[in-house]
Amino acid sequence: DAKTTQPTSMDCAEGRAANLPCNHSTISGNEYVYWYRQIHSQGPQYIIHGLKNNETNEMASLIITEDRKSSTLILPHATLRDTAVYYCIVRGRGSTLGRLYFGRGTQLTVWP
Amino acid sequence: DGGITQSPKYLFRKEGQNVTLSCEQNLNHDAMYWYRQDPGQGLRLIYYSQIVNDFQKGDIAEGYSVSREKKESFPLTVTSAQKNPTAFYLCASSPGTQPGEQYFGPGTRLTVT
Repeated sequence: DAKTTQPTSMDCAEGRAANLPCNHSTISGNEYVYWYRQIHSQGPQYIIHGLKNNETNEMASLIITEDRKSSTLILPHATLRDTAVYYCIVRGRGSTLGRLYFGRGTQLTVWP
Repeated sequence: DGGITQSPKYLFRKEGQNVTLSCEQNLNHDAMYWYRQDPGQGLRLIYYSQIVNDFQKGDIAEGYSVSREKKESFPLTVTSAQKNPTAFYLCASSPGTQPGEQYFGPGTRLTVT
């Protein structure tokens, strides 16, 4: 499975855009990039996923580089409630399509 | 409201006792998963089930058992064979068409003393 690398922590001012990077240099052509977040002591929450094109939904935007070796999750107007650990995940290969490997993620702190 | 429920939120047990954690979903999802999370760590997969009456071991299945008799339910038993059972346990489900899009329950925090 492709490994991902994320910074341990980041911070952002409330109302500003939060840009969370992720490296996945060993990603294969048929693997998707998923982003989840986990607010303290809660279950993780799915945010967005993509294959090669940029994606946007009501929560965030996902920018994937053309070579697919890295991606950036963008929260356009961060709020205090966006403080959480953000996980970048590349979906497992083979028949176990549902397997997701959660690393330690990036702790995003949004300050007022 | 559709979603995943886990009960109880907090659970305390004595060492040597088996304990069963409940997970129920009304999302009509085919697949269900159990993860374990230790402080400051990411999630690790214990077991998963893609259809009723079938399940597979994840990365840390030793000392745990599951059953999937109904689509809605995927209980996890933490047996006395699990050497370090104290942890935060999370259940998730996903639709068959989007297995990577998992919906998580609120978790059960198990403390064994």
